[in-house]
Amino acid sequence: AQKVTQAQTEISVVEKEDVTLDCVYETRDTTYYLFWYKQPPSGELVFLIRRNSFDEQNEISGRYSWNFQKSTSSFNFTITASQVVDSAVYFCALSEATDSSYKLIFGSGTRLLVRP
Amino acid sequence: DAGVIQSPRHEVTEMGQEVTLRCKPISGHDYLFWYRQTMMRGLELLIYFNNNVPIDDSGMPEDRFSAKMPNASFSTLKIQPSEPRDSAVYFCASTGTGANYGYTFGSGTRLTVV
Repeated sequence: AQKVTQAQTEISVVEKEDVTLDCVYETRDTTYYLFWYKQPPSGELVFLIRRNSFDEQNEISGRYSWNFQKSTSSFNFTITASQVVDSAVYFCALSEATDSSYKLIFGSGTRLLVRP
Repeated sequence: DAGVIQSPRHEVTEMGQEVTLRCKPISGHDYLFWYRQTMMRGLELLIYFNNNVPIDDSGMPEDRFSAKMPNASFSTLKIQPSEPRDSAVYFCASTGTGANYGYTFGSGTRLTVV
């Protein structure tokens, strides 16, 4: 069965610090997709990244970077030089995306507070 | 495309009343999902459809909840009768497959049952 664990419930940092949000997943499939979403205080769910199980290359997008390691079933998210606008709840999610299931299962989220 | 459209944005109702939440998915998306978000339980998948057919409703809390998708462009989630513990934000999402794969969420409906 699919499972996503975000062990960090809440993280507080000072602006300009780097911060890493952890995500560990469980799946029996060899083909799957991992996602990160941001939920700002306004409440919408904003897509950040999608990564498939066959692509272990790390990805960087501006101040955001993602580290995917199949050996440890982890898909961690790092924000470099954090800003107050990064304050939000961040969700990691997993989809097995097989013919039988496109379920997207979320972790419990990590609340990030960036203080000025 | 306007994205996934949910209505209403906010709903306040009295316990025992029927509540209907609406969702219009992105055109061309084959899959539609209903999620519920609460502080205690996080984001829970309630039910999802493929080509208008319900595939997995194991997340629907109880018989008071029902969902339909009469056509490719419209879905409803109904709660009858509503209870205070149903208060939550309900999200609808859709995705296509292949080149159209990627889950897009609506803005959510904040339901308050008093």
